[in-house]
Amino acid sequence: AQSVTQLGSHVSVSEGALVLLRCNYSSSVPPYLFWYVQYPNQGLQLLLKYTSAATLVKGINGFEAEFKKSETSFHLTKPSAHMSDAAEYFCAVRLSGGYQKVTFGTGTKLQVIP
Amino acid sequence: EAQVTQNPRYLITVTGKKLTVTCSQNMNHEYMSWYRQDPGLGLRQIYYSMNVEVTDKGDVPEGYKVSRKEKRNFPLILESPSPNQTSLYFCASSLSAGANVLTFGAGSRLTVL
Repeated sequence: AQSVTQLGSHVSVSEGALVLLRCNYSSSVPPYLFWYVQYPNQGLQLLLKYTSAATLVKGINGFEAEFKKSETSFHLTKPSAHMSDAAEYFCAVRLSGGYQKVTFGTGTKLQVIP
Repeated sequence: EAQVTQNPRYLITVTGKKLTVTCSQNMNHEYMSWYRQDPGLGLRQIYYSMNVEVTDKGDVPEGYKVSRKEKRNFPLILESPSPNQTSLYFCASSLSAGANVLTFGAGSRLTVL
C-alpha cells in the first residue's frame, strides 16, 4: 500500500524568499518519489524524481528535494522564489518491485507575492 | 514531438448520454493511466494499463470503463455519465512501471448536467 500527504493546500511566499513544500509518504516497500508541477490550464510536468541513487535530488528551475527515510519525507525546496513559480505542485509515489500504481497527493498551490 | 493527446478538451453533456474520451500516445509507452482531478482531492487514478489487453482498476473506477486494444490508445468510456463525474480528466503514459516518469496530456474538462 502507498499514500502521500501534502501539508498545506495553499502556500504564499514573497518573491525572493525560500520555497518549502511538504510531502510525506507511506509505502510498504522502497518507493520512487516524484514532484510534478501544473501551471494554469496545463497538464502536469515533472520537476524531479527520487530513485534511490542519491537522497538529494536536483530538478528543473532551481528546485530540489531531499529524501529522508527516517522521516518518510520528500520536501520540495527552492532558495529564491520567482513569480513564474506560481503553480500547483503535486507529490507522487510509486512503489518499487514492479508495482504499477502511481498515487498523487492532494496538491499545494504556490502563490508568489511581488 | 513526443506527446499524449486527449480529445475532446472540453465537453458538456447530459446525464446518461454515453461518451468516450480518447487518449493516444506516440512514444511506444507500455503504461497508460487515467486520472481525474477535483479541487481539494488532487489526482485520483481511475484505471491503468500495463500493456495491450491488460487493464486494472485504480482508486475510483466506478462508472468508468477502459480498453487497450492497441498500444498507443487508451480510451475512457462513461457509459451513463452522472453529475458527480463532472471533473478534469488527465491521461498519462510512461515507458513502464518503476521510476519511469509519467507524460501527461493537456486534460479534458467534462461537465455533466
